[in-house]
Amino acid sequence: DVKVTQSSRYLVKRTGEKVFLECVQDMDHENMFWYRQDPGLGLRLIYFSYDVKMKEKGDIPEGYSVSREKKERFSLILESASTNQTSMYLCASKGQRTGAGLVEDQYFGPGTRLLVL
Amino acid sequence: AQSVTQLGSHVSVSEGALVLLRCNYSSSVPPYLFWYVQYPNQGLQLLLKYTTGATLVKGINGFEAEFKKSETSFHLTKPSAHMSDAAEYFCAVSEGWGAQKLVFGQGTRLTINP
Repeated sequence: DVKVTQSSRYLVKRTGEKVFLECVQDMDHENMFWYRQDPGLGLRLIYFSYDVKMKEKGDIPEGYSVSREKKERFSLILESASTNQTSMYLCASKGQRTGAGLVEDQYFGPGTRLLVL
Repeated sequence: AQSVTQLGSHVSVSEGALVLLRCNYSSSVPPYLFWYVQYPNQGLQLLLKYTTGATLVKGINGFEAEFKKSETSFHLTKPSAHMSDAAEYFCAVSEGWGAQKLVFGQGTRLTINP
């Protein structure tokens, strides 16, 4: 069975703290993604990675960084947490497209609800 | 850049009634389109997707969606709502090389009245 796990379901941090959100997938997927979910805004892409040590900025990368040292693990880092980063964070992974019209699905983790005080 | 608009942030229907969740997209190339569902305190689960071929796509839990290129729409329907359908639903369109990235709509929360 497909599995994407996130290290915490709930986190409470203080303003200015460095925060690490971890995501692990067991499907040998090349692509991994970090999204932020806010009411009325849907999901917005923060960063994604298409290979080990490779990363690309998404739509809202400011205030975040990522790390992918191993294929199965993709970390989201808040260098100095701020209250406007209070949100739900969702990780996803996806295999590589294998042919015309064949689109691999994104599989999502359960999410981490982060509160920054 | 591609975008997705979901009409109605909240939709309420009675149990047994038709469910219709609306999604319109903008894309400069033939799109790949998706519907995801999120149950409370869970991640997203793929309901169905359109890539190529038949424009009426059937998904899990009795849902289906029809791709209408002329209307740039991909509305989600279910003939008869069940209490267990209460959730948030997201429409998404793919973009980028190899359809790697998804652009999501803002979501529609579906409530089922007994």
